[in-house]
Amino acid sequence: DSGVTQTPKHLITATGQRVTLRCSPRSGDLSVYWYQQSLDQGLQFLIQYYNGEERAKGNILERFSAQQFPDLHSELNLSSLELGDSALYFCASSGTRGVYNEQFFGPGTRLTVL
Amino acid sequence: GENVEQHPSTLSVQEGDSAVIKCTYSDSASNYFPWYKQELGKRPQLIIDIRSNVGEKKDQRIAVTLNKTAKHFSLHITETQPEDSAVYFCAASIYKLIFGAGTRLAVHP
Repeated sequence: DSGVTQTPKHLITATGQRVTLRCSPRSGDLSVYWYQQSLDQGLQFLIQYYNGEERAKGNILERFSAQQFPDLHSELNLSSLELGDSALYFCASSGTRGVYNEQFFGPGTRLTVL
Repeated sequence: GENVEQHPSTLSVQEGDSAVIKCTYSDSASNYFPWYKQELGKRPQLIIDIRSNVGEKKDQRIAVTLNKTAKHFSLHITETQPEDSAVYFCAASIYKLIFGAGTRLAVHP
């Protein structure tokens, strides 16, 4: 167990809908990262937050948004869902602002868009 | 943009053999190179990492080498065991991790 929690574990929804994925980092970690992993694909970096502020952005679609709250948990919002958004969404946390230390991954949320 | 290429995409070895996975990165400013192991349906887990001021690092049966001039780093697994079967991802980083596409390693008893 990495100490990073994600909810829900599974999510099934329809095209056009909106969902929110939640992540709680390890105790004391200030950085949260979101990744998307499509079937049999690699990990695509979406976005990073550090202590409530956006720190780095990857290939995140405009239909997706994220935020990090004062208690350091983070939410990833996916809207106008398409079939191609079906994927595993991982969140990771680390104790530093930059990527100089291990990122600890959560168990992931499997999103299925029908 | 930043890119990490990883080869091979699949690797099949006999138990006890060595396995080598190679990655190249495009951004010469990258300074942190972790390797993750991901079993089916599970989270990626860090198995070893190396920073840009080090050329080689070893941890029991796994080792990583880094050639900054060539922008190339490799994972070496010796005395492979069936439980080493998984997908392995390399990554390179400045501020964010850019992952390679992964190598599916199968170790046959």
